[in-house]
Amino acid sequence: TQLLEQSPQFLSIQEGENLTVYCNSSSVFSSLQWYRQEPGEGPVLLVTVVTGGEVKKLKRLTFQFGDARKDSSLHITAAQPGDTGLYLCAGANAGGTSYGKLTFGQGTILTVHP
Amino acid sequence: EAQVTQNPRYLITVTGKKLTVTCSQNMNHEYMSWYRQDPGLGLRQIYYSMNVEVTDKGDVPEGYKVSRKEKRNFPLILESPSPNQTSLYFCASSLFAGTSYNEQFFGPGTRLTVL
Repeated sequence: TQLLEQSPQFLSIQEGENLTVYCNSSSVFSSLQWYRQEPGEGPVLLVTVVTGGEVKKLKRLTFQFGDARKDSSLHITAAQPGDTGLYLCAGANAGGTSYGKLTFGQGTILTVHP
Repeated sequence: EAQVTQNPRYLITVTGKKLTVTCSQNMNHEYMSWYRQDPGLGLRQIYYSMNVEVTDKGDVPEGYKVSRKEKRNFPLILESPSPNQTSLYFCASSLFAGTSYNEQFFGPGTRLTVL
């Protein structure tokens, strides 16, 4: 079973601060996705990274896929209260016995205080 | 409106009483999947389906059954529910099964309590 270790599990910061969430595995994934989930709703995709070393930016959010495609990070610049939520990373495989499976990390609960 | 729907949204039942949670998508997606979400454990995949009549086990399939008789529906069946299946369940779908990085669209969730 592939595992994705996400850290930290909880993050409580003030508005305007920067933060980074990490997603690490000993396994190689063909792609890595980041989702955001709000209470009472299902997760919503933020970004997919596919190539090792890839960096994608979404406004104040920067996503990076490790060179070896085993880890990823999400960096938020100048966090705002609207960024509050549960952030989940998910690794996907395209072949072998894990074809079609998606492995999620434990999630990071982010709270941004005004 | 493109969406994934789940029913019921909330369910309280007793140990051993068979139940079915329905999932339906109107986006003509090939891939569908069921997850359970528990505090501190993230989302864990129960079963997934690459297409009609094709289903595979995820990481935690014990105690669950699924079927994919038609493209739009992917029901989750608990033949004999037990308290350790108390959880928040999500159904998801994505456009293609052939690539690994398609966006998954999630339903609103079903909160199940087994007494």
